[in-house]
Amino acid sequence: EIVLTQTPLSLSVTPGQPASISCKSTQSLLHSDGETFLYWYLHKAGQPPQLLIYDASSRFSGVSERFSGSGSGTDFTLKISRVETEDIGIYYCMQTMQVPYTFGQGTKLAIK
Amino acid sequence: QVHLAESGGRVVQPGESLRLSCAASGFTFRGHGMHWVRQAPGKGLEWVSFIHYEGRYDYYTDSVKGRFTISRDNSKDMVFLELNSLRPEDTGVYYCAKDRIFLAAYPTYVDVWGRGTLVTVSS
Repeated sequence: EIVLTQTPLSLSVTPGQPASISCKSTQSLLHSDGETFLYWYLHKAGQPPQLLIYDASSRFSGVSERFSGSGSGTDFTLKISRVETEDIGIYYCMQTMQVPYTFGQGTKLAIK
Repeated sequence: QVHLAESGGRVVQPGESLRLSCAASGFTFRGHGMHWVRQAPGKGLEWVSFIHYEGRYDYYTDSVKGRFTISRDNSKDMVFLELNSLRPEDTGVYYCAKDRIFLAAYPTYVDVWGRGTLVTVSS
């Protein structure tokens, strides 16, 4: 089973400041067809999770440009350029490279 | 607008069975694989199962293999999850979720989630 390890598990950020979350995989998520099977989701309280980033670095439709994804192989990062209050929630990375598909533990973002 | 609505969650005793349903609308259901993902109280997200858009194959996480069965009815735009031999650790919110790519030969990723249905397994 591929294990995804997120760091930090929580962070508190002042509005307008940047934030960064790391996701490290125990196996490469680069498929032979060139795609990277790593995704980022935001789960806000009382709402279903929402897709932010697919294929490690592509922003999903309607997602703010403040969100960006980077990385390759086994190391990935989600960055928020300027945190806003609406960004609070739990961020998860997920892989669909290999069954069982797995999530990171989640990173809780709070506002200072 | 894509919409997924889960139903069927309730309180059951250990060992009992339950069938969850998910009604889909706003997209060509018969062309998309579907997933179930769950979240135990106070815990993170856990992928549970996937079914091919035509139902040709399915996948499960190890802890539910042999106990849970995913199925779909493309004539009714619905996907189901049959939960048997339920255990307290199966307690949680179960989300139905849509796979992104149309007519994908293999699972890709989840792009839209339902609001979930709560399953509680307790004596």
